[in-house]
Amino acid sequence: DAKTTQPPSMDCAEGRAANLPCNHSTISGNEYVYWYRQIHSQGPQYIIHGLKNNETNEMASLIITEDRKSSTLILPHATLRDTAVYYCIVRPPLSGNTPLVFGKGTRLSVIA
Amino acid sequence: DADVTQTPRNRITKTGKRIMLECSQTKGHDRMYWYRQDPGLGLRLIYYSFDVKDINKGEISDGYSVSRQAQAKFSLSLESAIPNQTALYFCATSAYGELFFGEGSRLTVL
Repeated sequence: DAKTTQPPSMDCAEGRAANLPCNHSTISGNEYVYWYRQIHSQGPQYIIHGLKNNETNEMASLIITEDRKSSTLILPHATLRDTAVYYCIVRPPLSGNTPLVFGKGTRLSVIA
Repeated sequence: DADVTQTPRNRITKTGKRIMLECSQTKGHDRMYWYRQDPGLGLRLIYYSFDVKDINKGEISDGYSVSRQAQAKFSLSLESAIPNQTALYFCATSAYGELFFGEGSRLTVL
């Protein structure tokens, strides 16, 4: 079973920040939070990941709460091309032998 | 060229036929995966392999088999296809962290 809970869908106005929440209340201390997105029926694309600290890259920012039970993916200036399904995934440490398990994700619709 | 290549991209077949979906990668990764996606659902793991001699069942392995012919090649077989195996299939690779996905193989079983 996926170890995360996400809202099934969200809307965001073009140019505004899109804040996608994810609950992972059973996360272990050494598990990472990964985010992927899938545009239409293409293969999912890696966005960002983090362990404890907030992370930022050219695509997005990841905010992880201090207790690590939830996180938020932020797309600072959403565009129509950001319309996609976003998956939040908890994964074991890099040395672990458990593969990623995807849930149903959040379908983000960016509206002009 | 894509780092992860799946063939065929689209296939229509009939119930009872044997089907093979092939995946090859140029990333040099040891770990390879097969996922299935049905409309409105997330990705579900079918099989995965962490090296050439390693094969593991995922969430939904029944009705499927795999072969890891080499580090770069991982094939998914449906020995006797049935209509509820109609889906979009994705191959992926990883070193330890980030997954890299192929563009998908759309299979329709009539």
